Amino acid sequence: LAKTTQPISMDSYEGQEVNITCSHNNIATNDYITWYQQFPSQGPRFIIQGYKTKVTNEVASLFIPADRKSSTLSLPRVSLSDTAVYYCLVVGSGAGSYQLTFGKGTKLSVIP
Amino acid sequence: EPEVTQTPSHQVTQMGQEVILRCVPISNHLYFYWYRQILGQKVEFLVSFYNNEISEKSEIFDDQFSVERPDGSNFTLKIRSTKLEDSAMYFCASSQGLAGGRGWKFFGPGTRLTVL
Repeated sequence: LAKTTQPISMDSYEGQEVNITCSHNNIATNDYITWYQQFPSQGPRFIIQGYKTKVTNEVASLFIPADRKSSTLSLPRVSLSDTAVYYCLVVGSGAGSYQLTFGKGTKLSVIP
Repeated sequence: EPEVTQTPSHQVTQMGQEVILRCVPISNHLYFYWYRQILGQKVEFLVSFYNNEISEKSEIFDDQFSVERPDGSNFTLKIRSTKLEDSAMYFCASSQGLAGGRGWKFFGPGTRLTVL
């Protein structure tokens, strides 16, 4: 599975839009890009998944350029409750896809 | 919204004792998983379970660990003889499938295991 690289931490003020970029240079044709959120002492929570272009749901948007070597999670107008660790994962559909491989993620701190 | 549940929320045990962590996956899900997270470290995959057998396991999942789906709703993780280094949050997860939208994994709230 492709290795992902994302910033270790980010700070943002309340009400701002936050964009977290993840690079995954070795992404394979059948791989999806998936983002999870984790609050302290809680399990990871699925946020969004995409294959290419743009995906939007009630929580976030995911932008994936044509080469798919990177992706950007966009959180509109963050609030204090969005303070969490955000993980970018590449998920395959073939062998080895049973497991999710979490990195250290991006620790987002939202400041009042 | 359906959710994965786990019991107990916190388990304290003595080194060398057996523990069983319990999970109730989402009812129409077919794939079940255990992950763990040692305090301050990454979430690590332990094992996946499908069609009543282990489909994949990590190096962490050695002979001290076992999983079982004793009935149609529960999924358990047993640690036979706990060690101090087994202290961690243990998360159960489930998914409908493996790929695309069916591959979304839903995690439970976790069981904090403390080995003394």
